[in-house]
Amino acid sequence: SQTIHQWPATLVQPVGSPLSLECTVEGTSNPNLYWYRQAAGRGLQLLFYSVGIGQISSEVPQNLSASRPQDRQFILSSKKLLLSDSGFYLCAWEGQANTEAFFGQGTRLTVV
Amino acid sequence: GENVEQHPSTLSVQEGDSAVIKCTYSDSASNYFPWYKQELGKGPQLIIDIRSNVGEKKDQRIAVTLNKTAKHFSLHITETQPEDSAVYFCAASDNAGNMLTFGGGTRLMVKP
Repeated sequence: SQTIHQWPATLVQPVGSPLSLECTVEGTSNPNLYWYRQAAGRGLQLLFYSVGIGQISSEVPQNLSASRPQDRQFILSSKKLLLSDSGFYLCAWEGQANTEAFFGQGTRLTVV
Repeated sequence: GENVEQHPSTLSVQEGDSAVIKCTYSDSASNYFPWYKQELGKGPQLIIDIRSNVGEKKDQRIAVTLNKTAKHFSLHITETQPEDSAVYFCAASDNAGNMLTFGGGTRLMVKP
């Protein structure tokens, strides 16, 4: 069966520090991968999506970047965090032939 | 691209009453409409979905209806229980892009 792992679950980082959130998927190959951000009480904002290794599309200009070094690994990064980067970050995947999306458990990032 | 509007943003019902959440979409090519439930501090999870070749689908206390002509679909929860309290998201996608567009979410509160 397919599973998605996202870590860490919570993170508190000072302004100006770097960020690296990792997401891995098991049990499938060549998935579409997504990073979403969710501000408190708000909807899902799509940040990045990837249809293959090294292929990253950005939906909104921001302080963040994403990379896909391996087929089932998706990384969200920042060189210098801003206070506005605080939020709940969710990784998700879709199979190529299946439109259902599966979400990780999320990372709550607090920038202080 | 696709645009999905979801209403209401918050909904409070008494335990045992029914709850209805409505979504409209803009892209007539969309043919897959899932609903996700997000509990506090967790990632969204699929609860029910419908494809454009059917008008209604039911799974115990939850049902989804789809009106392709009017481009709207709804989630119906009957006999609500406190554990139904969560944020619900609708979404839409087509087979071509396989990428889901989410509505803004509805915070459902079921009062005991």
